[in-house]
Amino acid sequence: DVKVTQSSRYLVKRTGEKVFLECVQDMDHENMFWYRQDPGLGLRLIYFSYDVKMKEKGDIPEGYSVSREKKERFSLILESASTNQTSMYLCASSAPGGGSEKLFFGSGTQLSVL
Amino acid sequence: GQQVMQIPQYQHVQEGEDFTTYCNSSTTLSNIQWYKQRPGGHPVFLIQLVKSGEVKKQKRLTFQFGEAKKNSSLHITATQTTDVGTYFCAGPADSNYQLIWGAGTKLIIKP
Repeated sequence: DVKVTQSSRYLVKRTGEKVFLECVQDMDHENMFWYRQDPGLGLRLIYFSYDVKMKEKGDIPEGYSVSREKKERFSLILESASTNQTSMYLCASSAPGGGSEKLFFGSGTQLSVL
Repeated sequence: GQQVMQIPQYQHVQEGEDFTTYCNSSTTLSNIQWYKQRPGGHPVFLIQLVKSGEVKKQKRLTFQFGEAKKNSSLHITATQTTDVGTYFCAGPADSNYQLIWGAGTKLIIKP
């Protein structure tokens, strides 16, 4: 079975802390994505990556950075966490296909910033 | 900017009643995808529609893609408790081909 694994299901951090969210996929997918999900707002794309060491900004990249050193791993970094970054974070992967490939999601990380 | 609007935000139904959610894009889409997210879960791909006027069925679920490829709908016949969750539509952005998501429709079964 295909799998996208996120390192933590729940995370509580303090304002100003540096936060790392890790995501690993076992499908050899080129594309990986980080979304945040807030009630009533759907899924909003933070960053995505087409290949190792490649990254592209999504719709809401401010306050976030990413790292993709290996094909199977895509990390989201909050350099200095703020309360407005409290959210559900979803990692996803897909085969290449220019917007036509289906996404496989991880189980999500519910991040609370106090 | 490019948007995908989805309505309604919530729909309360009695078990056995039908459910419909609608998506409208501000631009023509090359395809539209539908996902289901169970409570406490993550989005799971249901189907992709590509052709103008396409209709696809999965058991009690019927998916349609409009003739102009700007709107789509998901209809569930005779809802069951297993249908509970939030249904999302998503289509590729013109600018970077990444998916733009509707806000989702939450299906709630009345007790």
